[in-house]
Amino acid sequence: AQKITQTQPGMFVQEKEAVTLDCTYDTSDQSYGLFWYKQPSSGEMIFLIYQGSYDEQNATEGRYSLNFQKARKSANLVISASQLGDSAMYFCAMRVSYNFNKFYFGSGTKLNVKP
Amino acid sequence: DAGVIQSPRHEVTEMGQEVTLRCKPISGHDYLFWYRQTMMRGLELLIYFNNNVPIDDSGMPEDRFSAKMPNASFSTLKIQPSEPRDSAVYFCASSTGRGFGMNTEAFFGQGTRLTVV
Repeated sequence: AQKITQTQPGMFVQEKEAVTLDCTYDTSDQSYGLFWYKQPSSGEMIFLIYQGSYDEQNATEGRYSLNFQKARKSANLVISASQLGDSAMYFCAMRVSYNFNKFYFGSGTKLNVKP
Repeated sequence: DAGVIQSPRHEVTEMGQEVTLRCKPISGHDYLFWYRQTMMRGLELLIYFNNNVPIDDSGMPEDRFSAKMPNASFSTLKIQPSEPRDSAVYFCASSTGRGFGMNTEAFFGQGTRLTVV
């Protein structure tokens, strides 16, 4: 069975500091993709970053980076230099090759950035 | 491109009424997903289509829920009859399927907030 786990329901971070949001996944498939989405209070789902299971380098997109540890089956999102606008829900998601377009989402982490 | 377009943005209906949610995916995307989001259950995949064909509807909660995709540019999610526990935000998302398709993110619509009273 495929599963995404986000164990941090809520987190606080001081503005301008870095924060790591945890995500672990479970799949027996060798080919999969991992995604992070941001959902601000306005409700839309915004794609942030992608990591493929065969990618050797950790993905980076601006202030976002993905700390991919394949052996541990973790794909943590690191946000550097937090901004007030980063306050939102963050979802980790996975796609696997055998069912390659079905997205499995975690339960999300609510991040609050304090001024 | 205008992105994934959902309508209506908000819907309030009385229990027992039929509700139809609509979605226009991004042109050229061959996958379409319907999700439901609630505080209790998070983001649940209800059904998804590939090239207008339903691939997996195992997430559809009951027979009261049905979804169609008559063509590549339009899909509906219908609830008949609606119940208060159906109150949620319903998202439509679309994506392409290049290769294995895993490196293609899903693009979400703005969602429809459904309230059944």
